[in-house]
Amino acid sequence: EAGVVQSPRYKIIEKKQPVAFWCNPISGHNTLYWYRQNLGQGPELLIRYENEEAVDDSQLPKDRFSAERLKGVDSTLKIQPAELGDSAVYLCASSALLARGPTDTQYFGPGTRLTVL
Amino acid sequence: AQSVTQLGSHVSVSEGALVLLRCNYSSSVPPYLFWYVQYPNQGLQLLLKYTSAATLVKGINGFEAEFKKSETSFHLTKPSAHMSDAAEYFCAVSDQRGYNKLIFGAGTRLAVHP
Repeated sequence: EAGVVQSPRYKIIEKKQPVAFWCNPISGHNTLYWYRQNLGQGPELLIRYENEEAVDDSQLPKDRFSAERLKGVDSTLKIQPAELGDSAVYLCASSALLARGPTDTQYFGPGTRLTVL
Repeated sequence: AQSVTQLGSHVSVSEGALVLLRCNYSSSVPPYLFWYVQYPNQGLQLLLKYTSAATLVKGINGFEAEFKKSETSFHLTKPSAHMSDAAEYFCAVSDQRGYNKLIFGAGTRLAVHP
């Protein structure tokens, strides 16, 4: 079974430029998460989708970040414009919505390492 | 609000020695607790999880963790370290309000030397 796929793996951009990250979850997983992991820290949730619906985007900086999950499968996270402080690893995860419980295992992709110069 | 504190950002052990990675949590409701491992340039992989059943949880690769409510702890242990255990380990807590929002600690980097 293929895992969570993310692309690109690495991205270097100048500040004020736009950038987009793509995620394809495990087949059949209807819940998708985007996390940001700053250097030396644990991941922090940005947004969570159940199918096409963003059910928790309270941590997403909406002035510059946007996300979409059309058709409830793959997802794109965009930053426009990027700032120096956005340098981080952006992780995508997915889980199967079983009992809608807090124990549904999240499977993580390898992440996209963003460097903003 | 829930939070996780991992004591020790770096831990170094000899191959064959006991591994002990510490995690303390704060939660106003009974928590669910997780340990994840992250190898270089890879995503996080679930090692084990506590879901209010047995307090001693066994995971993959010989790891286990014990939930101690009185100490608000969920420390990760392995009796004998292998070189392949070198990685970063994250403890996480989830609330029980019906969805799996993970709050991660800052991580502990484990080094294993010969």
